[in-house]
Amino acid sequence: DSGVTQTPKHLITATGQRVTLRCSPRSGDLSVYWYQQSLDQGLQFLIQYYNGEERAKGNILERFSAQQFPDLHSELNLSSLELGDSALYFCASSFSGTGSGNTIYFGEGSWLTVV
Amino acid sequence: AQSVTQPDIHITVSEGASLELRCNYSYGATPYLFWYVQSPGQGLQLLLKYFSGDTLVQGIKGFEAEFKRSQSSFNLRKPSVHWSDAAEYFCAVGRTDKLIFGTGTRLQVFP
Repeated sequence: DSGVTQTPKHLITATGQRVTLRCSPRSGDLSVYWYQQSLDQGLQFLIQYYNGEERAKGNILERFSAQQFPDLHSELNLSSLELGDSALYFCASSFSGTGSGNTIYFGEGSWLTVV
Repeated sequence: AQSVTQPDIHITVSEGASLELRCNYSYGATPYLFWYVQSPGQGLQLLLKYFSGDTLVQGIKGFEAEFKRSQSSFNLRKPSVHWSDAAEYFCAVGRTDKLIFGTGTRLQVFP
């Protein structure tokens, strides 16, 4: 158990809909990351938040957005869903976001299926 | 461009045999290097990491990896594979906290 908690574990929704994935980081971690794992794209970095502020952005679509709340949990919002958004979405956390080589711990992921 | 290459998509070994999974990277500076394992239906578990110092690093579950700067490689090894090691293995690099992952190597273990 990495200490990173993600909900829901599985989600099936229709095209055009909107979903929210939730993540609680490890106790004491200030940085939260979102990654997408799909068969065709592999593991792709989406976005990073540090202590409530966006720190880095990767291959995140405009239809997707995220935020980190004062209690440090994070949510990833996916809207206008398409079939190609079906993937495993990982949340990860680390103590800091300063590039000092902190280990990043991953949650078990949220499986999203768009039908 | 920053990238990670895991040239072996799928490897099959017998239980008790030795294992080496290859990882090559392209990065502007000396990166931090990681190996993660993903069991079916599970999240990513950190096996080991290299930040600096001794280029041979020990990890959990009996795994080790060696950083070779001249070859831009960070290969994962295990002297004797167990059936429970069957999983997908990902090499990752990063200098900041953003990680770049390889495409993974799926390990199958025969009894």
